[in-house]
Amino acid sequence: GQNIDQPTEMTATEGAIVQINCTYQTSGFNGLFWYQQHAGEAPTFLSYNVLDGLEEKGRFSSFLSRSKGYSYLLLKELQMKDSASYLCAVRDTPNAGKSTFGDGTTLTVKP
Amino acid sequence: NAGVTQTPKFHILKTGQSMTLQCAQDMNHGYLSWYRQDPGMGLRRIHYSVAAGITDKGEVPDGYVVSRSKTENFPLTLESATRSQTSVYFCASMGEETQYFGPGTRLLVL
Repeated sequence: GQNIDQPTEMTATEGAIVQINCTYQTSGFNGLFWYQQHAGEAPTFLSYNVLDGLEEKGRFSSFLSRSKGYSYLLLKELQMKDSASYLCAVRDTPNAGKSTFGDGTTLTVKP
Repeated sequence: NAGVTQTPKFHILKTGQSMTLQCAQDMNHGYLSWYRQDPGMGLRRIHYSVAAGITDKGEVPDGYVVSRSKTENFPLTLESATRSQTSVYFCASMGEETQYFGPGTRLLVL
């Protein structure tokens, strides 16, 4: 079966750094995605990791350890607009698009 | 280039009625998926299609029917709506390394 775990909620302060963890147990692994979803909107792509290590994109970074079934999304210099839900998704087969999603982590950024 | 479009944005349906949600993409992607998202939950795949003429079931296919006669379109039909189908529905198109989501359809079944 497929199992993806993320914390349900997190709170952080504007300007701070926050790390959102994702652990997974899936029948296969062909990449891990992070998406951002603001309330009432569609998910938007943030990052994609297929090899171990850290991928940096501006204020956002994503890390993957395949041997540990673990990833995290790191958000630096938090802004109020970063308040959103963050979804972790694992592509478990080579078939493009066949991904299993976690339930998402709701991040609230406070002034 | 509009990406992925969905219609309608919002609809109210009565139990037992039929409804088709439209999904269109202009990126010439082969792989399209329908997801539903319920409060506090992640996205669950309903049906997907790897190419025109080919469709398959996802995690939660019961009560839904799809077709894919053209690459561009992937309609989702609720043949006899039930209250449990009240949800937000997203269509997604798969590119090289990511999925592009449509804006969603909010469906309320009374």
